[in-house]
Amino acid sequence: DAKTTQPNSMESNEEEPVHLPCNHSTISGTDYIHWYRQLPSQGPEYVIHGLTSNVNNRMASLAIAEDRKSSTLILHRATLRDAAVYYCILGDYGQNFVFGPGTRLSVLP
Amino acid sequence: DTAVSQTPKYLVTQMGNDKSIKCEQNLGHDTMYWYKQDSKKFLKIMFSYNNKELIINETVPNRFSPKSPDKAHLNLHINSLELGDSAVYFCASSRPLLAGQETQYFGPGTRLLVL
Repeated sequence: DAKTTQPNSMESNEEEPVHLPCNHSTISGTDYIHWYRQLPSQGPEYVIHGLTSNVNNRMASLAIAEDRKSSTLILHRATLRDAAVYYCILGDYGQNFVFGPGTRLSVLP
Repeated sequence: DTAVSQTPKYLVTQMGNDKSIKCEQNLGHDTMYWYKQDSKKFLKIMFSYNNKELIINETVPNRFSPKSPDKAHLNLHINSLELGDSAVYFCASSRPLLAGQETQYFGPGTRLLVL
């Protein structure tokens, strides 16, 4: 069973910011928070990951709550190409990823 | 340059046949995986290999046999195919799972349809 919970779907307008939430209330101190996305008919691709501090990269930002029980993936300006299923996953030492159903993001022109 | 490649991209076959899916990565990674994504789109780990050795087998029927001839390849052989094996199979690779932060790189998937 996935150790994270996410909304099934979200919608955004093109060129607007998107905040994708994830709850992981049973997170352990050594769990990293990973985000992957899966575009239609493609394999999952890495988006971002973090442990305690907020993280930024060219694709997105990751905001991690102080108690680490939740996190938010932020896409600063959604494009049509960002329409995908977004997965929030916890990664720990020697543990395989457990993918949940993720959040299906629709981007409206 | 494709980092993780899989062949074939599509595979249509009859029940009871035996088939193989090949996976190659050129990232120099030691760890490789097979995932299955079923019709409900749930992505589930099947196997993980580290340096050609099996480290995880997630209660997959023994009709499925992964083989790693070298660190860059992890092939999946499936015997006596069943209708329920129809799915998309993804190969992935990463550096070893020494901490929980290793990024996994996925292949494009192999769409298997068993008739």
